[in-house]
Amino acid sequence: NAGVTQTPKFRVLKTGQSMTLLCAQDMNHEYMYWYRQDPGMGLRLIHYSVGEGTTAKGEVPDGYNVSRLKKQNFLLGLESAAPSQTSVYFCASKTGSTEAFFGQGTRLTVV
Amino acid sequence: EDQVTQSPEALRLQEGESSSLNCSYTVSGLRGLFWYRQDPGKGPEFLFTLYSAGEEKEKERLKATLTKKESFLHITAPKPEDSATYLCAVQAYNFNKFYFGSGTKLNVKP
Repeated sequence: NAGVTQTPKFRVLKTGQSMTLLCAQDMNHEYMYWYRQDPGMGLRLIHYSVGEGTTAKGEVPDGYNVSRLKKQNFLLGLESAAPSQTSVYFCASKTGSTEAFFGQGTRLTVV
Repeated sequence: EDQVTQSPEALRLQEGESSSLNCSYTVSGLRGLFWYRQDPGKGPEFLFTLYSAGEEKEKERLKATLTKKESFLHITAPKPEDSATYLCAVQAYNFNKFYFGSGTKLNVKP
């Protein structure tokens, strides 16, 4: 009964380093989303996927890449981290017009 | 351009003092409007979905309503445990995207 699981939960990166955040869902949902949350700015959509092998850009895609090789997994990559990417990242999944289910978040600090 | 705006940004209430949070939206074809609660350090937790103008949903001290341009989350006789950030999201006709407002941070004092 895991729902949506994000790994890692915390990470500190140096400027220029790369990393991948993993989102896994066990609800057989078609749609998956990556958001970032900064103080006072709510949740902003980075990238999303409507099914295995598909991805699309959201509101703030620059500096990020994604992949959805398997239906249950959605990966978010930072190729060259910048301090402006310090944020809390949330993954969500849903199906059709029902509600989205969220992971617990990844707190990323870029120094 | 699709947009979701929540007000106020922050709200302080005394325990038992009822109030309302607002979510106004502009979207080309609304598929659904969603309310979430978020506690510090946690992911958003689903509260309600509203699909058409005139629809209402209730859960304990919370009641959500929807018009063609906005939604209200009414909080009746709130308790300190209702303190959280309340987020509103809309799903557009192109239901691949799922947009959020910036949230209302509610603080209920005993």
